[in-house]
Amino acid sequence: TQLLEQSPQFLSIQEGENLTVYCNSSSVFSSLQWYRQEPGEGPVLLVTVVTGGEVKKLKRLTFQFGDARKDSSLHITAAQPGDTGLYLCAGVSSGSARQLTFGSGTQLTVLP
Amino acid sequence: NAGVTQTPKFRVLKTGQSMTLLCAQDMNHEYMYWYRQDPGMGLRLIHYSVGEGTTAKGEVPDGYNVSRLKKQNFLLGLESAAPSQTSVYFCASSYPGSGLFGAGSRLTVL
Repeated sequence: TQLLEQSPQFLSIQEGENLTVYCNSSSVFSSLQWYRQEPGEGPVLLVTVVTGGEVKKLKRLTFQFGDARKDSSLHITAAQPGDTGLYLCAGVSSGSARQLTFGSGTQLTVLP
Repeated sequence: NAGVTQTPKFRVLKTGQSMTLLCAQDMNHEYMYWYRQDPGMGLRLIHYSVGEGTTAKGEVPDGYNVSRLKKQNFLLGLESAAPSQTSVYFCASSYPGSGLFGAGSRLTVL
């Protein structure tokens, strides 16, 4: 079974601060996805990283896929209260079913 | 609007009762999935389907059954509900490189 460890589990910061969330595994994934989930809703896909070493930017969010395709990070610059939510990483299997293995999530709270 | 629709949104069951959750997608996606989400555990795959008429077990399939008689629908059944099945259930459908989730179905088993 492929496992993804996500850290930290909880993060509470002040508006304007920077933060990084980590997603680590001993397994290799074909790609890795990051989702954001708000209360009462399903996860919403933010980005998919495919190539080892790949870096993608989405406004103030920077996503990086490790060279060995086993780990990833999400960095938020100058966090805003609107960034508050549950952030989930998910590894995509290389099989035809493209199953997702999720990390346990990081609950981010950005205080005004 | 295109998307993934789950019904019902909320349900309370007594131990031993049965029920079915319905997931419908209108994007002609081949792949559909059922997950459960519990506090501190992320989402865990219950069953999935790679096309009409096919189903397969995921990480936590015990106590659940599924059917995919039509491409657009994926049903999750609980034949005899147990308190351990209290959870929020999410359906997802996808094409390669993307995943779209429904809003969830919150199930409580007393």
